[in-house]
Amino acid sequence: AQSVTQPDIHITVSEGASLELRCNYSYGATPYLFWYVQSPGQGLQLLLKYFSGDTLVQGIKGFEAEFKRSQSSFNLRKPSVHWSDAAEYFCAVVPSGGYQKVTFGIGTKLQVIP
Amino acid sequence: DAMVIQNPRYQVTQFGKPVTLSCSQTLNHNVMYWYQQKSSQAPKLLFHYYDKDFNNEADTPDNFQSRRPNTSFCFLDIRSPGLGDAAMYLCATSRDRQAREQYFGPGTRLTVT
Repeated sequence: AQSVTQPDIHITVSEGASLELRCNYSYGATPYLFWYVQSPGQGLQLLLKYFSGDTLVQGIKGFEAEFKRSQSSFNLRKPSVHWSDAAEYFCAVVPSGGYQKVTFGIGTKLQVIP
Repeated sequence: DAMVIQNPRYQVTQFGKPVTLSCSQTLNHNVMYWYQQKSSQAPKLLFHYYDKDFNNEADTPDNFQSRRPNTSFCFLDIRSPGLGDAAMYLCATSRDRQAREQYFGPGTRLTVT
């Protein structure tokens, strides 16, 4: 069965430090990959997406993610975290082709300390 | 700006009292989704509409119903809310059924007393 794993439930980083949030998936073929961010009490906002092509994708708010087929991973990175980045981050996967349901990871809650 | 709007943002209802949550979109997308999200959990898909075609998830309780009177609007009806139905309800849209990108509304926080 398809699955998405975000191994870190909670991460704390200092403001200005770099950030990497991990995401691994289990699918037969390369799916479509997404990262969403959810601020407290808000809906989900799309940060970036990967469909094909260049494996390093740029998103909004200074985020980027790298697709690594050999590791079935799609990790989210930011070189310097701002206090406003404190939120919950969801990795999401959709198998390619036809109608397919989105599978979300359990989420990683990011805390930023001054 | 094109967007997904949910009303109300906060809803309090009594145990067993029917409640309706509303979602509208200006994106003119064909697909509309309803998700339930409980605290510190991933969103869980309840059902979706592809145009007027309703698609229920197998594990969605019968207590949850939905209506889509036109392209722009979609409603979530909870016929007899229980305490376990307290959650954030998220509406989302996508241009097509391949769900390559979903656009989410801000959510409705439902409290059941």
